[in-house]
Amino acid sequence: AQSVTQLGSHVSVSEGALVLLRCNYSSSVPPYLFWYVQYPNQGLQLLLKYTTGATLVKGINGFEAEFKKSETSFHLTKPSAHMSDAAEYFCAVSERGQGFSFIFGKGTRLLVKP
Amino acid sequence: GAVVSQHPSWVICKSGTSVKIECRSLDFQATTMFWYRQFPKQSLMLMATSNEGSKATYEQGVEKDKFLINHASLTLSTLTVTSAHPEDSSFYICSARDGGDSSYEQYFGPGTRLTVT
Repeated sequence: AQSVTQLGSHVSVSEGALVLLRCNYSSSVPPYLFWYVQYPNQGLQLLLKYTTGATLVKGINGFEAEFKKSETSFHLTKPSAHMSDAAEYFCAVSERGQGFSFIFGKGTRLLVKP
Repeated sequence: GAVVSQHPSWVICKSGTSVKIECRSLDFQATTMFWYRQFPKQSLMLMATSNEGSKATYEQGVEKDKFLINHASLTLSTLTVTSAHPEDSSFYICSARDGGDSSYEQYFGPGTRLTVT
């Protein structure tokens, strides 16, 4: 069965430091992969997605993620954290064999220290 | 493109009353819509999947008589919480997909905060 694991419910970085949010998935076939950001009392905003092709995907707000099939990972990175990046981040997987139902990770709260 | 709206954005109702939440796809036809529930500091939990013109499919543990879903058109789905109780207070998010080449993707609404007093 599909599953998504986000390591670390909370990640704290200093402003200007590298952001690394981890996501691992289990799937019998290469899935579609997504990262979303959620600010308090708001819906989900798509940061980036992997469907096919280039494994390094660039998204909005300077974020990028790399699909590594051998590691079944899709970690999210940003070279330099900004205070406005403080939010909840969700990794999600969608798979054709599962009717494209979304499976979400439990989320990682990013804290940015001044 | 691919914008999904929800109305209302927040609602307060008294225990025992019913409340309806609307989810609209503004610039595409949504063959499938999804309703999620999110508790504080938790991930999204899928409640049900609805296809236009057919009955919704509810996830295990979700009471279909309590959470009524109607997908009456290709741009509108509604979730009605009947006889609401304080434990129904939550953040409800809908999403939609267009059934075309990007069927693997869902577009999310901004969410509705329901508080039952």
